[in-house]
Amino acid sequence: AQSVTQPDIHITVSEGASLELRCNYSYGATPYLFWYVQSPGQGLQLLLKYFSGDTLVQGIKGFEAEFKRSQSSFNLRKPSVHWSDAAEYFCAVGVGNSGGSNYKLTFGKGTLLTVNP
Amino acid sequence: NAGVTQTPKFRILKIGQSMTLQCTQDMNHNYMYWYRQDPGMGLKLIYYSVGAGITDKGEVPNGYNVSRSTTEDFPLRLELAAPSQTSVYFCASVRDMYSPLHFGNGTRLTVT
Repeated sequence: AQSVTQPDIHITVSEGASLELRCNYSYGATPYLFWYVQSPGQGLQLLLKYFSGDTLVQGIKGFEAEFKRSQSSFNLRKPSVHWSDAAEYFCAVGVGNSGGSNYKLTFGKGTLLTVNP
Repeated sequence: NAGVTQTPKFRILKIGQSMTLQCTQDMNHNYMYWYRQDPGMGLKLIYYSVGAGITDKGEVPNGYNVSRSTTEDFPLRLELAAPSQTSVYFCASVRDMYSPLHFGNGTRLTVT
């Protein structure tokens, strides 16, 4: 079965500093990869996704992520963090057969981001 | 479009009571999911459905049941509520494997 590991439970950065959130997955093939963000009391919002092709993907709010097959990783980055980026971030993998009859997403445990002024 | 609508938003149950969490979507999505979210544990898949009349167990199905009689609705049933079912429940739907999930706003359930 597929699994997702987010090694960092909580990260604190200063506003304006760069950010990297780590995500590793375990799956026999290349899954569909996603990053979601959740603000307190809210549902989850998609930041970006990777299916195939260019391994560096751009998302909303200035975020990007890089897929590295050799490391089974899909790390999220942002060059300059804003106070409004404080939230919880979830990496997810989507797997299913070619017909999609059992397609489902597995989420990591999340990384809570705190931004200091 | 309303997207994915969950009701109720909050509920307190006594141990042994039963209830149904409602989820409906108006986007004609075939795939629908129920997740529970506990602090520090991320989202765990309870049940999912790939179309009307088809449901399957996820990672943590014990204590729950689902049905999918229509494309729009995917209710989650708790038959004998237990304190371990205290959680925030999210319903989600998606058009296909290449699209992002649409999440409801969640139901916060407390079992005492």
